[in-house]
Amino acid sequence: GAGVSQSPRYKVAKRGQDVALRCDPISGHVSLFWYQQALGQGPEFLTYFQNEAQLDKSGLPSDRFFAERPEGSVSTLKIQRTQQEDSAVYLCASSSSLAGGIGTDTQYFGPGTRLTVL
Amino acid sequence: AQSVAQPEDQVNVAEGNPLTVKCTYSVSGNPYLFWYVQYPNRGLQFLLKYITGDNLVKGSYGFEAEFNKSQTSFHLKKPSALVSDSALYFCAVRDINDYKLSFGAGTTVTVRA
Repeated sequence: GAGVSQSPRYKVAKRGQDVALRCDPISGHVSLFWYQQALGQGPEFLTYFQNEAQLDKSGLPSDRFFAERPEGSVSTLKIQRTQQEDSAVYLCASSSSLAGGIGTDTQYFGPGTRLTVL
Repeated sequence: AQSVAQPEDQVNVAEGNPLTVKCTYSVSGNPYLFWYVQYPNRGLQFLLKYITGDNLVKGSYGFEAEFNKSQTSFHLKKPSALVSDSALYFCAVRDINDYKLSFGAGTTVTVRA
């Protein structure tokens, strides 16, 4: 497709379950970002990949959160032992900035995965 | 550190009237500024951005925004609002030496027919 896609769109988990959220960025986009959007708030940065390298994971709220992008395209955000406070919309974004450059590129967002932890 | 403030939670206007959504920002260096719109159960859709150059930036769907360095503002405007413009609008900023976006809390725009 032409845009960023995410799956599943909705996920309900029982507290303590592990979940995996998938992001397919725009083809050829080097940079990939994950953001967390709590209800009624703006998105907050979680982590950043440039190709397969995770250059920044400073926004991950705890060591229960893990992200990977092993082949430099699709990315997975995994949350272990989910807690109620993990309930949020998880947004993925990609941009075409070149490796090593910050650039002026726009980040294009996917539709998000709404995670509800019961 | 970088941050964005959107002082209005809600903006209500009549169709055909001008629409303004306010945004102020704080960055340590020079800013890159963005506006996104979010419709229910949809992701963020890019509207426009300011990088450098003209302070008045034109974007999608008839929206424009004016960068004001002295007031550290980047207000979104549309001369004549449509009912279909009703949505949640986010302003975002990043320092030119950074890559992560910082978002405001969002402004809900309601355009009544």
